[in-house]
Amino acid sequence: GAVVSQHPSRVICKSGTSVKIECRSLDFQATTMFWYRQFPKQSLMLMATSNEGSKATYEQGVEKDKFLINHASLTLSTLTVTSAHPEDSSFYICSARDRDTWSYEQYFGPGTRLTVT
Amino acid sequence: LAKTTQPISMDSYEGQEVNITCSHNNIATNDYITWYQQFPSQGPRFIIQGYKTKVTNEVASLFIPADRKSSTLSLPRVSLSDTAVYYCLVGDRGSTLGRLYFGRGTQLTVWP
Repeated sequence: GAVVSQHPSRVICKSGTSVKIECRSLDFQATTMFWYRQFPKQSLMLMATSNEGSKATYEQGVEKDKFLINHASLTLSTLTVTSAHPEDSSFYICSARDRDTWSYEQYFGPGTRLTVT
Repeated sequence: LAKTTQPISMDSYEGQEVNITCSHNNIATNDYITWYQQFPSQGPRFIIQGYKTKVTNEVASLFIPADRKSSTLSLPRVSLSDTAVYYCLVGDRGSTLGRLYFGRGTQLTVWP
């Protein structure tokens, strides 16, 4: 149980285009999902907290107009990288908390490798 | 969230026990200690969580002294597949926000 999927696993796009990444909780409902990015040989950096039915909360320094987050249902959150540039190339990971358990545990997706050319 | 400090890297051999220590001097009363494991190009995986004393599950043990200013993740009889980055995080489990802030982690390399 407690599986989180991401789609796509890899994506290559041209500079200036937008890319959407989906994060789904497959066997549980998640009121809250989180988005991270990770550069090579570095740790995960929390970008934003995605709340079902409300606006996302962005961490300091993360451009909310560039990284659009939508959490339309209890099992789906999407991250759209708008007008992508090569410096946006990174590994994007989502995670989710099971709303029915009172646990600190977050279930992470497998990640999406974004390459902007 | 309380800041954590871990060794950047550790080496071990197959079959040995590995202990990774994490310092969290500013841990708060409501904070729990959680460890995650991450393989290259994958999302982190939950290993173990504890508040005080000792916690054990099928993959690891977590030792937490009385002052809770540090914790030790113990991996018994490691194998090559345990080569990964291990992250120690400290935070309020009861927080409705539940945000996680990852430190640098410890790169564990297991040699044959």
